[in-house]
Amino acid sequence: DTGVSQNPRHKITKRGQNVTFRCDPISEHNRLYWYRQTLGQGPEFLTYFQNEAQLEKSRLLSDRFSAERPKGSFSTLEIQRTEQGDSAMYLCASSGPPQWTGGTPQYFGPGTRLTVT
Amino acid sequence: TQLLEQSPQFLSIQEGENLTVYCNSSSVFSSLQWYRQEPGEGPVLLVTVVTGGEVKKLKRLTFQFGDARKDSSLHITAAQPGDTGLYLCAGPTTSGTYKYIFGTGTRLKVLA
Repeated sequence: DTGVSQNPRHKITKRGQNVTFRCDPISEHNRLYWYRQTLGQGPEFLTYFQNEAQLEKSRLLSDRFSAERPKGSFSTLEIQRTEQGDSAMYLCASSGPPQWTGGTPQYFGPGTRLTVT
Repeated sequence: TQLLEQSPQFLSIQEGENLTVYCNSSSVFSSLQWYRQEPGEGPVLLVTVVTGGEVKKLKRLTFQFGDARKDSSLHITAAQPGDTGLYLCAGPTTSGTYKYIFGTGTRLKVLA
């Protein structure tokens, strides 16, 4: 179990450029989540996949945002025409079947910090 | 709309002191998770509480789930500088899609 990995860890881009982030979940986890977190706040839900199906999208996810999980394994989050307000930490998490201790906790990657200049 | 409110927002204490962080909601949750997050990193799962009234201990950390499953607390005994971080509670919504919501967070700083 290598945990959830995200690439890149940091991304600096100019306003108007497109960026793409990748998340590799824990291999046996079928659920994958994307969150956005700004400084000092808790993560805000963006979208969620069960296997390759995108089951829910937040209203925070404007038309400039798109996420895919084509084979039910890794996922990508693309932001088109970035704006300064997109600057944040983008977190990916995965979860598997309910644990014997109860609940289906999520396991997070280290995040991708996006800075839009 | 389900919300999780955490208090206090900020806490700065001396090494060796005890503290309690609260996570409250007006909604019932089937479970709650507690995470700790360090700057520049993703949240790390500490514990999941599932049963109303449940108490779980993790070394110097004690987690409690309220009887009505609407609130939870985290108590740290004899805090150490290594406990410094952002403490987050989170729980699944009742929408049935395994969507989670997070609390606002408590930022703890333990001074040596």
